[in-house]
Amino acid sequence: EVQLVESGGGLVQPGRSLRLSCAASGFTFDDYAMHWVRQAPGKGLEWVSSISWNSGSIVYADSVKGRFTISRDNAKNSLHLQMNSLRAEDMAFYYCAKDYKSGGTTGWYDYWGQGTLVTVSS
Amino acid sequence: DIQMTQSPSSLSASVGDRVTITCRASQSISNFLNWYQQKSGKAPKLLIYEASSLQSGVPSRFIGSRSGTDFTLTISSLQPEDFATYFCQQSYGTPLTFGGGTKVEIK
Repeated sequence: EVQLVESGGGLVQPGRSLRLSCAASGFTFDDYAMHWVRQAPGKGLEWVSSISWNSGSIVYADSVKGRFTISRDNAKNSLHLQMNSLRAEDMAFYYCAKDYKSGGTTGWYDYWGQGTLVTVSS
Repeated sequence: DIQMTQSPSSLSASVGDRVTITCRASQSISNFLNWYQQKSGKAPKLLIYEASSLQSGVPSRFIGSRSGTDFTLTISSLQPEDFATYFCQQSYGTPLTFGGGTKVEIK
């Protein structure tokens, strides 16, 4: 059974940093691109970042470029999102999501984690 | 960026009704349109990918179609478990973008 479990969310002051993690199991992690998608409470979905299976291709939304860094550790089946210079508008549930296709990047997600809430407030 | 305009933002329907949700892309995205269902407090669930392909395990009452840059999700006979919010997403190019969502409520 595919499982994605996010952790690392919490309350942080504006300008500070937070590191999210996603522990993956139930599939061959290093075969798949992975993604972060966020959702402000009661709002819609916003793609944040994607990383290819071998970390060779990484892309970010303009809203987080230069502040967030996506990475993965295929040996540990884990995905990470380092978030620096956090702003009030970054407050959201952050979901990690598995790409649909092995060996490539389709941009659609067949499994999602349960999400971790990041609250940015002084 | 490719804008996805989803309509309606909400609708009320009864069990057994046929429900249609539309998503319009601001430019051609070929068939790179996906639909997700999200229930309250849960993560989204993939229903349809590439405009009309049904994700494994998803009931056949969910039907996706395309006409140019207009995409439609049809629920042929609404079931109690289908009351949720539905999002479209384009995967033609980055930034990957979502529609604003359609909340399907009980009439």
